[in-house]
Amino acid sequence: SAVISQKPSRDICQRGTSLTIQCQVDSQVTMMFWYRQQPGQSLTLIATANQGSEATYESGFVIDKFPISRPNLTFSTLTVSNMSPEDSSIYLCSFRRGHQNTEAFFGQGTRLTVV
Amino acid sequence: DAKTTQPNSMESNEEEPVHLPCNHSTISGTDYIHWYRQLPSQGPEYVIHGLTSNVNNRMASLAIAEDRKSSTLILHRATLRDAAVYYCILRSGNTGKLIFGQGTTLQVKP
Repeated sequence: SAVISQKPSRDICQRGTSLTIQCQVDSQVTMMFWYRQQPGQSLTLIATANQGSEATYESGFVIDKFPISRPNLTFSTLTVSNMSPEDSSIYLCSFRRGHQNTEAFFGQGTRLTVV
Repeated sequence: DAKTTQPNSMESNEEEPVHLPCNHSTISGTDYIHWYRQLPSQGPEYVIHGLTSNVNNRMASLAIAEDRKSSTLILHRATLRDAAVYYCILRSGNTGKLIFGQGTTLQVKP
């Protein structure tokens, strides 16, 4: 099993502000991923974060809005910038330890409400 | 990324087997079939995955059609704790990304 923790677990933020979500893994991992889950919806991949390189963003997501850091092999952050109520979602980080087809582990998510 | 099609919802009785179908007619030769589930208020958790052959683990079995255009996740004895959204995902052998579809919401009745 693996330990992956996210902080904060939830937050209520004012529109126009930014929130940084932290994801900590209990061991070194190569690939980390950030997802968004809007209310009642499935998960949408935001970006892939590899250590030592720029994150790769999926269509519809841009670095200015969702900057990602990956300073080492156990840690990553996602910032939701200049928030609006439409950004209210659950944000989840995920990782795989090794080869592309090993299982992925997910954090419990950060429930963000923008007012 | 190849897409999957699942029923929106299914019901099962407790302690009975459950067969969750998934169609993936555009699957490519390098795509692995993965299943994850998401319990209420939790992140998704891995259930099982396979390429061509049927697979079994402690949680479930995965039956893959010979032409690989469909698969079925089998829960041998459903419990109330198995109530969740089950996602069938094709993982690209090239990118390794998990692209989630809408999934099947499984309700288990006592």
